[in-house]
Amino acid sequence: AQSVAQPEDQVNVAEGNPLTVKCTYSVSGNPYLFWYVQYPNRGLQFLLKYITGDNLVKGSYGFEAEFNKSQTSFHLKKPSALVSDSALYFCAVRDYSGGYQKVTFGTGTKLQVIP
Amino acid sequence: DAGVIQSPRHEVTEMGQEVTLRCKPISGHNSLFWYRQTMMRGLELLIYFNNNVPIDDSGMPEDRFSAKMPNASFSTLKIQPSEPRDSAVYFCASSLTPLGAHEQYFGPGTRLTVT
Repeated sequence: AQSVAQPEDQVNVAEGNPLTVKCTYSVSGNPYLFWYVQYPNRGLQFLLKYITGDNLVKGSYGFEAEFNKSQTSFHLKKPSALVSDSALYFCAVRDYSGGYQKVTFGTGTKLQVIP
Repeated sequence: DAGVIQSPRHEVTEMGQEVTLRCKPISGHNSLFWYRQTMMRGLELLIYFNNNVPIDDSGMPEDRFSAKMPNASFSTLKIQPSEPRDSAVYFCASSLTPLGAHEQYFGPGTRLTVT
């Protein structure tokens, strides 16, 4: 089973509307969860992380994510989408595999904000 | 800090040739990661180093791939001989700790095309 899943390949949202990019995880122990963003022809850029503490995590560019242990989810949210938010978003989780710790990235969700 | 530096940014080579990709991590970061990104396979971790020592190379596709980290400020990923299916964007990333609570910082990537 995959450690992290992003069920949507693409999310379309109108500018000014709230956006949600979904992520679910499946790991043993306490998860370390991350969101990254990738703009075209660029490397991934860290947005925010959950390690412990408050379930609502605030990050860069007005993004936030809520850790939900019972639903094993870590959805990325923003109250009001901007056209400049259009990019590829990756969820990642620390996991154990083959005796090693690994950070496993999801398959990515393309966010398209429509003017 | 200049961030993670990768060179070259673009590489076009013929099948059978040797390719060397280079990476300079962020100063003070103890861990370095090599990833490959393609449309078909997404983002794949190839290998990571901690304190210049390779920790997990289970993602290296085959013996044609090798990676070294001779010191804390330099790493190479070599493909010999290269094949068309190696065409991808290769990212280097660094972090303070291998796979704990610290996020990874990605370089801009090297776009490799093997003809």
